[in-house]
Amino acid sequence: EAGVTQFPSHSVIEKGQTVTLRCDPISGHDNLYWYRRVMGKEIKFLLHFVKESKQDESGMPNNRFLAERTGGTYSTLKVQPAELEDSGVYFCASSRTGGFNEQFFGPGTRLTVL
Amino acid sequence: RKEVEQDPGPFNVPEGATVAFNCTYSNSASQSFFWYRQDCRKEPKLLMSVYSSGNEDGRFTAQLNRASQYISLLIRDSKLSDSATYLCVASGNTPLVFGKGTRLSVIA
Repeated sequence: EAGVTQFPSHSVIEKGQTVTLRCDPISGHDNLYWYRRVMGKEIKFLLHFVKESKQDESGMPNNRFLAERTGGTYSTLKVQPAELEDSGVYFCASSRTGGFNEQFFGPGTRLTVL
Repeated sequence: RKEVEQDPGPFNVPEGATVAFNCTYSNSASQSFFWYRQDCRKEPKLLMSVYSSGNEDGRFTAQLNRASQYISLLIRDSKLSDSATYLCVASGNTPLVFGKGTRLSVIA
């Protein structure tokens, strides 16, 4: 079974530019999550999709962040315009519905905003 | 106060040693608990879920004390390959709440 995949693995952009991150969850996982780790801090939740619907976006920092999951398969997270404080590693995770909420993480996208 | 608190370490132990990590969580409504392992510049990998009765998986034993809001992980017979950062996680409904992690270095 293929794991969670993310693209790109690294992105370096300038302040004010736009970046779009992509996540492909494990096949059959309805739940998809975005998390972020900024340097020196713990991993923090951003939002949760159940299929194509946003279940919880309480962790989204501001309206420069837009997440979508059209069709309930892969998801994108767009940052527009990027700011310096957006630098960090963005992880995507997925899980099955029900069960013990065991979430499986992708390799992450390391975003650097200059 | 952090929602999930861990001793950051580092814990430097010789091969074969037993090492214990502790973690406390502040949200009494937390329902699910996990230990994840994260290698340098890699993603967190689920090590084990933590059940109320405690559970064991090979050399790893996890315990949960809901009254004290305390979670532990015991690693027996440490291997060099156990060197990593161990993340304690609590969860209410679905978002995982992570601690900052405890770094373990197992030395030959």
